[in-house]
Amino acid sequence: AQRVTQPEKLLSVFKGAPVELKCNYSYSGSPELFWYVQYSRQRLQLLLRHISRESIKGFTADLNKGETSFHLKKPFAQEEDSAMYYCALSGPSGGSNYKLTFGKGTLLTVNP
Amino acid sequence: DTGVSQNPRHKITKRGQNVTFRCDPISEHNRLYWYRQTLGQGPEFLTYFQNEAQLEKSRLLSDRFSAERPKGSFSTLEIQRTEQGDSAMYLCASSPGGGSQHFGDGTRLSIL
Repeated sequence: AQRVTQPEKLLSVFKGAPVELKCNYSYSGSPELFWYVQYSRQRLQLLLRHISRESIKGFTADLNKGETSFHLKKPFAQEEDSAMYYCALSGPSGGSNYKLTFGKGTLLTVNP
Repeated sequence: DTGVSQNPRHKITKRGQNVTFRCDPISEHNRLYWYRQTLGQGPEFLTYFQNEAQLEKSRLLSDRFSAERPKGSFSTLEIQRTEQGDSAMYLCASSPGGGSQHFGDGTRLSIL
């Protein structure tokens, strides 16, 4: 069974501090991993996709297959980063398992 | 293109009534997904279409639920004989081929 675990429901940091949102997964094979973000009163939107290996809004995430983790990191948090963050996985790119399995989310608050 | 559009935004109904939601995907996207999200949880997969073909249904989708995508464009999700437990946010997403999923604002269903 595929599963995504985000151990922290809430995370609070001060502006300028580093932030790390944890995500662990369970999947038989090589999944595709994503981070989605939902800002207040906005729709869910894609932040990062691991195969893109991009840095978006200063965030990065590295897939660690040994630890089955895909933690989201940013060296200096900004107040506008305050949002709900969801880690998600699907089957491998090019395969037939396209559905997303989400974690329960982590609410990040960046204090001034 | 305004992205994925869902109607209505909010639906309030009495237990036992039937409800229907509509999703208009991004026009060039051939894949369309339905998810359900309850308080404190991440979105959970319900079903997925490639063009007009419904290719996968979650066991969460009981016999009271039916989804269609008649011409491979918009989709409808109908719930018959609604129950209290059906109260949730129903999210629609679309994607081009193996691309990332783009979400709509959702339809919030409240059962009285």
